[in-house]
Amino acid sequence: KNEVEQSPQNLTAQEGEFITINCSYSVGISALHWLQQHPGGGIVSLFMLSSGKKKHGRLIATINIQEKHSSLHITASHPRDSAVYICAVTSNSGYALNFGKGTSLLVTP
Amino acid sequence: EADIYQTPRYLVIGTGKKITLECSQTMGHDKMYWYQQDPGMELHLIHYSYGVNSTEKGDLSSESTVSRIRTEHFPLTLESARPSHTSQYLCASSGRDRGEQYFGPGTRLTVT
Repeated sequence: KNEVEQSPQNLTAQEGEFITINCSYSVGISALHWLQQHPGGGIVSLFMLSSGKKKHGRLIATINIQEKHSSLHITASHPRDSAVYICAVTSNSGYALNFGKGTSLLVTP
Repeated sequence: EADIYQTPRYLVIGTGKKITLECSQTMGHDKMYWYQQDPGMELHLIHYSYGVNSTEKGDLSSESTVSRIRTEHFPLTLESARPSHTSQYLCASSGRDRGEQYFGPGTRLTVT
């Protein structure tokens, strides 16, 4: 079973700050996913990546396969970015996701 | 926005009742999943299906059962609900390759 570790567990930032959330995993994967979960419980997929870097608006995700590490960056953070950010991996042998515990982000005005 | 639906969104039910949580997707995805999430905790896979008439149990032991008679429909059934089943249940689907998963809005179940 994959093990996925995220840090920090909780994060408070002021509006405009640059935010980084880290994710480490322990076994071989076919893809890593970054997900966003709002207080209502719905989950949205932000990124799926297997190498390099992806950017979407103010969000950037990077992955280092050799180090088994990924980061999610938020530039110019805004209160509407407040949510739980979840790192998940798809193993080489299956399609289902194995999840980290999530990082609860609060961005204050 | 993803075309994956779950009903009901919220359910409060007494111990011993039989319940079915519905999940449907209109994307033609062959793979579907049920995840369980206790408050403040991570999600765990409880069931998955890679196509019609194919179902498997996930990593987390669950007393629920699932069926996959049609591609678009993946219902989850609890034969006799217990307070320990109180949780959020999220359905998801993905397409042919190891692609992005699309999540439904979830069903928040409370068993009294």
